[in-house]
Amino acid sequence: QVQLVESGGGLVKPGGSLRLSCAASGFTFSDHYMSWIRQAPGKGLEWVSYINTGGATIYYADSVKGRFTISRDNARKSVYLQMNSLRVEDTAVYYCARARGIGGYVGYFDSWGQGTLVTVSS
Amino acid sequence: QSALTQPRSVSGSPGQSVTVSCTGTSSDIGGYNYVSWYQQHPGKAPKLMIYDVSKRPSGVPDRFSGSKSGNTASLTIAGLQAEDEADYYCYSYAGSYTLVFGGGTKLTVL
Repeated sequence: QVQLVESGGGLVKPGGSLRLSCAASGFTFSDHYMSWIRQAPGKGLEWVSYINTGGATIYYADSVKGRFTISRDNARKSVYLQMNSLRVEDTAVYYCARARGIGGYVGYFDSWGQGTLVTVSS
Repeated sequence: QSALTQPRSVSGSPGQSVTVSCTGTSSDIGGYNYVSWYQQHPGKAPKLMIYDVSKRPSGVPDRFSGSKSGNTASLTIAGLQAEDEADYYCYSYAGSYTLVFGGGTKLTVL
C-alpha cells in the first residue's frame, strides 16, 4: 500500500533553516508528481510546492518563493523541502502528498503522509 | 491566488443530505475540471474523497458525490452518518501552475 512518511520537523528560531524529508513506498515513486502542503494550527490547507516526476519542473506558492526549495531523489524514493529564512507564519504541519499531474497541471492529491510539525518561534 | 470560498460550517441529521459549496472564479474552478474534495478528521491527514469534479476513488462510499456549475463546485453527502463529521476542503488547479484550496467547512452531524 502507498505510504508516505515525513520527518525533519521541529522548533526553529525566526530566520533559521530546516529540511523536511518524505520517504515513499508502495508505488513507483518516479512515475508521480509530489507536493508539500501545509496547515497552520487551526487553519486550512495551503499548497506550498510541487515537483514533477524528473525534478526539472518545480513550482512554489508566492508565500514561500525564494525561501523554500523542493527536490527529489528517485533512487531513494524521497522528496525534500529545504526551508530557509523561516518566519513565524511558516509554523504549520507540513504534509507530503502524492500528486496526480500531467503537463504541469496538478489534478488532485491521492495519498498523504501523517505530517510533520514545524514551529518557528523565538 | 486567493483561497476558494467555502461556508465555515454546515450541519445535518443522520440520514439527511448536506451540500458543501466551493466558489472560485473563471481562472480556477470555472476554467478547469481539476476540482477535488478532501475529508479531514481532527488530528489526521486529509483524505481524497472526490477528484476531477465528480469521480470517486476506490473505497469512498457512493454517498459522496461532486458536481460543478460555472465557478462553483459542490460536494453532496447523502445519508449522513456520524463518521462523516469532519472538515472538508475543496481544491482546484488555478492556472499558471498555481494550486488553491478552499478555506474548509466543518460538517457537524446533529
